[in-house]
Amino acid sequence: AQSVTQLGSHVSVSEGALVLLRCNYSSSVPPYLFWYVQYPNQGLQLLLKYTTGATLVKGINGFEAEFKKSETSFHLTKPSAHMSDAAEYFCAVTSGGYQKVTFGTGTKLQVIP
Amino acid sequence: EAQVTQNPRYLITVTGKKLTVTCSQNMNHEYMSWYRQDPGLGLRQIYYSMNVEVTDKGDVPEGYKVSRKEKRNFPLILESPSPNQTSLYFCASRGPPGRDTEAFFGQGTRLTVV
Repeated sequence: AQSVTQLGSHVSVSEGALVLLRCNYSSSVPPYLFWYVQYPNQGLQLLLKYTTGATLVKGINGFEAEFKKSETSFHLTKPSAHMSDAAEYFCAVTSGGYQKVTFGTGTKLQVIP
Repeated sequence: EAQVTQNPRYLITVTGKKLTVTCSQNMNHEYMSWYRQDPGLGLRQIYYSMNVEVTDKGDVPEGYKVSRKEKRNFPLILESPSPNQTSLYFCASRGPPGRDTEAFFGQGTRLTVV
């Protein structure tokens, strides 16, 4: 079985401040991990993914995430928030079988001017 | 342009009136799935399909049907919609088998059942 926990359904940061969105996963096999972003009235768009190899993964729009196996975490960060980063972010995991994807419950990011 | 297209984007219907939400992808993907998104619950998988004529239940299949007669199309059917099916629905497709392939999502269909 696999699961994803996103801590904090709502996160507020000031423009220019560090963005940190937390994701912890549970998986019985080595996981592949994803972060998706959803802007208002749009579908989900891939931000970044971890498959194998380098544990620090860089994505679009200046976001990055680090896979930490010992902590079963895959937190999303961005050094400096922009107003355009306001959106909902979903962490997701796949493991085993034919690609069942389990999503977290999402974190809405608010950026305050 | 690679895309997943859903129609309609918005739909208001009455309880019990059958409806179909269409989904089409132009990436020749074998794997397609439907999700519903509800506040605080994230995305939950309704049905998925690994190829033509191969479909299976996801986590919340009750009240839904699907079909996969062609590789590109994967319609979601609500035979008798009820208010608890009011939700935001997403269709997604994925590439060849392999755990690192990400899902491509449609723009979503916001369904209201009154």
